[in-house]
Amino acid sequence: RKEVEQDPGPFNVPEGATVAFNCTYSNSASQSFFWYRQDCRKEPKLLMSVYSSGNEDGRFTAQLNRASQYISLLIRDSKLSDSATYLCVVNRNTGGFKTIFGAGTRLFVKA
Amino acid sequence: DTGVSQNPRHKITKRGQNVTFRCDPISEHNRLYWYRQTLGQGPEFLTYFQNEAQLEKSRLLSDRFSAERPKGSFSTLEIQRTEQGDSAMYLCASSPSGQGRQPQHFGDGTRLSIL
Repeated sequence: RKEVEQDPGPFNVPEGATVAFNCTYSNSASQSFFWYRQDCRKEPKLLMSVYSSGNEDGRFTAQLNRASQYISLLIRDSKLSDSATYLCVVNRNTGGFKTIFGAGTRLFVKA
Repeated sequence: DTGVSQNPRHKITKRGQNVTFRCDPISEHNRLYWYRQTLGQGPEFLTYFQNEAQLEKSRLLSDRFSAERPKGSFSTLEIQRTEQGDSAMYLCASSPSGQGRQPQHFGDGTRLSIL
C-alpha cells in the first residue's frame, strides 16, 4: 500500500461544476500537507498549503482530517483552466525527513 | 527570473554514459531537493540538502546516483552508467528551512532519455 493515495480519476466535469478530491495518508506522524497542480509535461506548482483548521483561497478550499488521515481539495465554479493533475503532498520528519507525493488526480473541465 | 533553474532541459544519451544535471535554487532557500518523476506517477523523493549537508537519501538513490551541493548554493545530480530505467523527468525544488512545513518550489525539470 502506498503511503499517500489518491483516486487517479479522471474526473470529467462541466464548467461551473464543483469537484472534490480526497487523499489519504498512512503515516500518522505526517506533519505538513500541501496540494500542487501539475500541467502536462510541466513542473508541479504549489496550489495551497493545508492547515488543520482548513483554509480557503478563492474558489479552492482545503481540509485536513488528522483523525481519519485524509486531506481534501474542493474546487468551486470550475474553469477550463483548472484542467490539470492535482497532487497531494505530505511531509514527515520521523525516521528522517521525507516528502511523499500522491500519484495525482486528473481533472478535465469541459465547456 | 528568481525561481528554481535547472539545466539542461533535455538530455538524450546512450545507455552506459554518465550524465550530470544542475539545479540553482531560489537564492534565499537553504533546502534543496531532488525528485524523479515517471509518466503517470507523482514525483519520487531522491535526496535533500540543508545548505551543503546531504541529510537524507532515498533507497531509490542507488550507488550509480550521486548528488552534491558543495557551497550550499547550486547542486548537481550525477548518474553513472545510465540504464534505460533511468529515463524520467528529474525535478529539483527548494524551500526555506522550517522543519518541513515550508512548501517547496520546483524548477522546470530535466527530461532524461536513454537510448
